[in-house]
Amino acid sequence: GDSVTQMEGPVTLSEEAFLTINCTYTATGYPSLFWYVQYPGEGLQLLLKATKADDKGSNKGFEATYRKETTSFHLEKGSVQVSDSAVYFCALVRDKLSFGAGTTVTVRA
Amino acid sequence: DAGITQSPRHKVTETGTPVTLRCHQTENHRYMYWYRQDPGHGLRLIHYSYGVKDTDKGEVSDGYSVSRSKTEDFLLTLESATSSQTSVYFCAIGLTGGPGELFFGEGSRLTVL
Repeated sequence: GDSVTQMEGPVTLSEEAFLTINCTYTATGYPSLFWYVQYPGEGLQLLLKATKADDKGSNKGFEATYRKETTSFHLEKGSVQVSDSAVYFCALVRDKLSFGAGTTVTVRA
Repeated sequence: DAGITQSPRHKVTETGTPVTLRCHQTENHRYMYWYRQDPGHGLRLIHYSYGVKDTDKGEVSDGYSVSRSKTEDFLLTLESATSSQTSVYFCAIGLTGGPGELFFGEGSRLTVL
């Protein structure tokens, strides 16, 4: 069935470092892809999405491009801040949303 | 803005007791979901609803039941709680931006001793 695999964490970075979180998917056809973020003590929030191949989603300085040739949707941010410390989830949707296991990111000042 | 209230936010209970978690939304969104979050598993769908009295199972529905008698309320019941159901439970509503765009509540942490 459809599934998402994302890189294991935890990931620890210094402020202003470059962040990449890898995400690959397995699905028939071309599902819509999402990144959700969960800040400490909160529910998940939609960060960005892409609905078709070569689409780039972006929000809050984060970007991810839907690559059908590599079945990937990697999340990137050029300069992280302490406030970006959170758990990031990659997800895809066919009839229902399926999440990856999550990657914990900690940004140190 | 969409609003979700989950109750209780924290609960500790004994094995074998019934537990009901409540999700209340302030708008008339049709789709509502219950997920559980466990380390290493991300979020897994327990049950969902696509309208009053219309519900369906997700991938981890065993041991859980749901009810939706009003548009704004979606209840999750553990008929006889087990330690494997210790988890954080999230309710979500489907926004109108399309499938996959969910708005989540703040979660209910359940501990079964």
